[in-house]
Amino acid sequence: EVQLLESGGGLVQPGGSLRLSCAASGFNFNIHAMTWVRQAPGKGLEWVSTTSGNAFDTYYADSVKGRFTISRDNSKNTLYLQMNSLRAEDTAVYYCAKVRGYSYGQVWGFDSWGQGTLVTVSS
Amino acid sequence: DIVMTQSPLSLPVTPGEPASISCRSSQSLLNSNGNNYLDWYLQKPGQSPQLLIYWGSNRASGVPDRFSGSGSGTNFTLKISRMEAEDVGVYYCMQGLQTPYTFGQGTKLDI
Repeated sequence: EVQLLESGGGLVQPGGSLRLSCAASGFNFNIHAMTWVRQAPGKGLEWVSTTSGNAFDTYYADSVKGRFTISRDNSKNTLYLQMNSLRAEDTAVYYCAKVRGYSYGQVWGFDSWGQGTLVTVSS
Repeated sequence: DIVMTQSPLSLPVTPGEPASISCRSSQSLLNSNGNNYLDWYLQKPGQSPQLLIYWGSNRASGVPDRFSGSGSGTNFTLKISRMEAEDVGVYYCMQGLQTPYTFGQGTKLDI
């Protein structure tokens, strides 16, 4: 059974930093692209970032480019999101998800999701 | 960026009756390999999203066959043949053809 467990969320002041982690199990982690999707309170889903299985390819939404960094440790089956220069508009539940299929920047199916971790940016 | 537009945004449904949601993209999602890079997700109240359909019409593992996806290019439809109480929630379409991957606004189905 695929399991994804996010951690690292919390309250942070504007301009601060957080690192989210997503511990994966139940599948061959190092062959699957992984992604972060966020959801602001009461709002819809917003794609944040995706990394390929070998981490050679990384992609970011314009809203986080230059501030967030996605990475993975395939030896630990763990996905990360380093978030710097946080803003109030980054307040959201952050989900990690397994990508069913990935090829040259195209994805099909985020087929397993974690329970999410809440990031609140406020003074 | 590819803009995804869903309609309606809210849909009251009756158990046992069919339901249909439309999703339109600002650019064609049909790739040269013949696949449409269009997914459908359901977020039940208080839960994480779950994948229903990928490539426009392929049901994800474990998804009941009352859910079906159709369409190509820029126009897509998710159909529920017979609504069940457990199907309430917000439905999202998402394009995976190019970054930034973009979601529709969501369609809330409730009984």
